[in-house]
Amino acid sequence: AQRVTQPEKLLSVFKGAPVELKCNYSYSGSPELFWYVQYSRQRLQLLLRHISRESIKGFTADLNKGETSFHLKKPFAQEEDSAMYYCALRGGGATNKLIFGTGTLLAVQP
Amino acid sequence: DTGVSQDPRHKITKRGQNVTFRCDPISEHNRLYWYRQTLGQGPEFLTYFQNEAQLEKSRLLSDRFSAERPKGSFSTLEIQRTEQGDSAMYLCASSLSNEGYTFGSGTRLTVV
Repeated sequence: AQRVTQPEKLLSVFKGAPVELKCNYSYSGSPELFWYVQYSRQRLQLLLRHISRESIKGFTADLNKGETSFHLKKPFAQEEDSAMYYCALRGGGATNKLIFGTGTLLAVQP
Repeated sequence: DTGVSQDPRHKITKRGQNVTFRCDPISEHNRLYWYRQTLGQGPEFLTYFQNEAQLEKSRLLSDRFSAERPKGSFSTLEIQRTEQGDSAMYLCASSLSNEGYTFGSGTRLTVV
């Protein structure tokens, strides 16, 4: 079964500290992984996808197939990074749906 | 084009009533998705359209739920005989082929 696990409901860090939001997935094939972000009172929006291998707002994520993980990292957290972060998986084949994790609330303290 | 639009933003209805939500995707996007989100959970897939064809439905989508996308443009999601357990945020998203989704702001349904 396809599943995305985000083990932390809340991650609280101080400004300037490194951030790592954990995401593990369960999928037997070659998945596509995404990170979505929802800032307060805003809609859910795409942050990055693994096939792009890009850095957005200082965030990066590397797909580790051996550990079935796609952790989101940023070396120095900013207060404006405070938001809800969702990891999502898209399986291959005919399906096109995204399967989301339960999300992690990142709170960056001043 | 201002992105994905959903209407209404909020809906309060009495148990047993029918409700219908509308989603207007980004005009050039051929794929449209409906998700449901409850407190403390991530979005859960309900159904997916490619153009006007409904290609996939979740088992979450009971026979009280029906979705349409006539002419491959806007979509409607209807819930008949609403129950309190239907209270949730209903999200619509669209995409162009295998690109990432663009989400709407959602319709918050409260069944009293």
